[in-house]
Amino acid sequence: DIVMTQSPDSLAVSLGERATINCKSSQNVLYSSNNKNYLAWYQQKPGQPPRVLIYWASTRESGVPDRFSGSGSGTEFTLTISSLQAEDVAVYYCQQFYTTPYTFGQGTRLEIK
Amino acid sequence: QVQLQESGPGLVKPSETLSLTCTVSGGSISSYYWSWIRQPPGKGLEWIGYIYYSGSTRYNPSLKSRVTMSVDTSKNQFSLRLSSVTAADTAVYYCARTGPNYGYYFDYWGQGTLVTVSS
Repeated sequence: DIVMTQSPDSLAVSLGERATINCKSSQNVLYSSNNKNYLAWYQQKPGQPPRVLIYWASTRESGVPDRFSGSGSGTEFTLTISSLQAEDVAVYYCQQFYTTPYTFGQGTRLEIK
Repeated sequence: QVQLQESGPGLVKPSETLSLTCTVSGGSISSYYWSWIRQPPGKGLEWIGYIYYSGSTRYNPSLKSRVTMSVDTSKNQFSLRLSSVTAADTAVYYCARTGPNYGYYFDYWGQGTLVTVSS
């Protein structure tokens, strides 16, 4: 199985400041034939299902604010929130869909400082 | 707008079989992959497996011996059965759309249903 490891486990950032969450995969998730990274980021608020924010490592889902961005390739990826808003408090997960079993990171809890 | 809704018993006894159904509305179940994902209380997410509308399946090896998925295209539903459950199977169970191709993210999710395994 591909193991997804996120860092940090929790993060406290002031409103309006930048938040950065990292994700490493134990194997490459870049598919060479189409040059796409099979990596997604999800946001989960209490009592709600996860919501996809970013897919193909850097493509923002429709309706997601542009303060959310994804970067990285191969085995190392980053989710950045450029200016933290109160409504961004949540747990964030990365997920690889390169191969089954699809696997998630352990999650990063983002709070307001 | 595609919507998914899980249904089934919220309490299952140890050693029995957990059965859930996901009803898809606002779109057809055809031409897509559909997954089950679970989340133990306070913990992370685990993919259980997927089923294609044609009926082909792929399961997580960690659960493969106990999982069966099925699809009913006439009702726009797909289902999960997990046998020989224990307390470790207590979780919120989500159904999710997994795209039109192999290798796709989860773009639509149900609200989830909590299943507790207890006598």
